Amino acid sequence: QVQLKESGPGLVQPSQTLSLTCTVSGFSLTSYNVHWVRQPPGKGLEWMGRMRYNGDTSYNSALKSRLSISRDTSKNQVFLKMNSLQTDDTGTYYCTREGVTTSFDYWGQGVMVTVSS
Amino acid sequence: DIQMTQSPSFLSASVGDRVTINCKASQNINKYLNWYQQKLGEAPKRLIYNTNNLQTGIPSRFSGSGSGTDYTLTISSLQPEDFATYFCLQHNSFPYTFGAGTKLELK
Repeated sequence: QVQLKESGPGLVQPSQTLSLTCTVSGFSLTSYNVHWVRQPPGKGLEWMGRMRYNGDTSYNSALKSRLSISRDTSKNQVFLKMNSLQTDDTGTYYCTREGVTTSFDYWGQGVMVTVSS
Repeated sequence: DIQMTQSPSFLSASVGDRVTINCKASQNINKYLNWYQQKLGEAPKRLIYNTNNLQTGIPSRFSGSGSGTDYTLTISSLQPEDFATYFCLQHNSFPYTFGAGTKLELK
C-alpha cells in the first residue's frame, strides 16, 4: 500500500542545516510528485516545495534561498535540505504525494524538528 | 500568492448538528480545493478533493461545494469522532496555500 515516512534529526541548532528524508513505498517517484509541507506548533500549514516526477523542482519563494529538494529514485527517497535554520523553523515537517489525478492524498506521519541551542 | 481565508477559526457544536466551514480564495482557483481533517499529533486526512469529490472511506455526511473563489465543507450530522481541526488547500497554482484552519469543538 502507499506509504510515506519522514526521518531526520529532532533537534537542530540555530544557523545549522536541516536534512530530512522522505522514504516512499507503494508508488514510484517517477510517476508521482512529492511535496514537503511544514506546520509550526499550534499553527497552520505551509507548502515548502515539490519534487516533480521528472526530477524538476519548485520552491516556495519565501524559502527558496535556503531550501533544496532532491531525490534518489533507486532508494525511493526524496530529500529536503534547508540551511540557516532559526527558531521559527521549529515544527512538524510532512511529505505528501501528488499525481495526475490525485493531490495530497497520502501523507507521512510527520517528523518534529526543534531548532534550539 | 493566493490567500485562503478560512472561517470560522473556531466552531462550537453538538453531536447531530449540521456545520459549515468556508474557504475564500483571493482569486479563482478553478475548483482545485481539497479539505482535510487533522487530529492532534496526526497527519492530515483528506476528506474532499477538487471541491466536491469524497475521498474513499470517508463518510457521506461530509460534502464539499463551491466554485471560483468560494468553497464550503459541510458536515451534515456531527459525530463524536468529527471534533478536530479542518483546513482547506488550494492546489491551483504555486505556491500552494492552506487555510488557517477551523477548530471544531464540542459544545
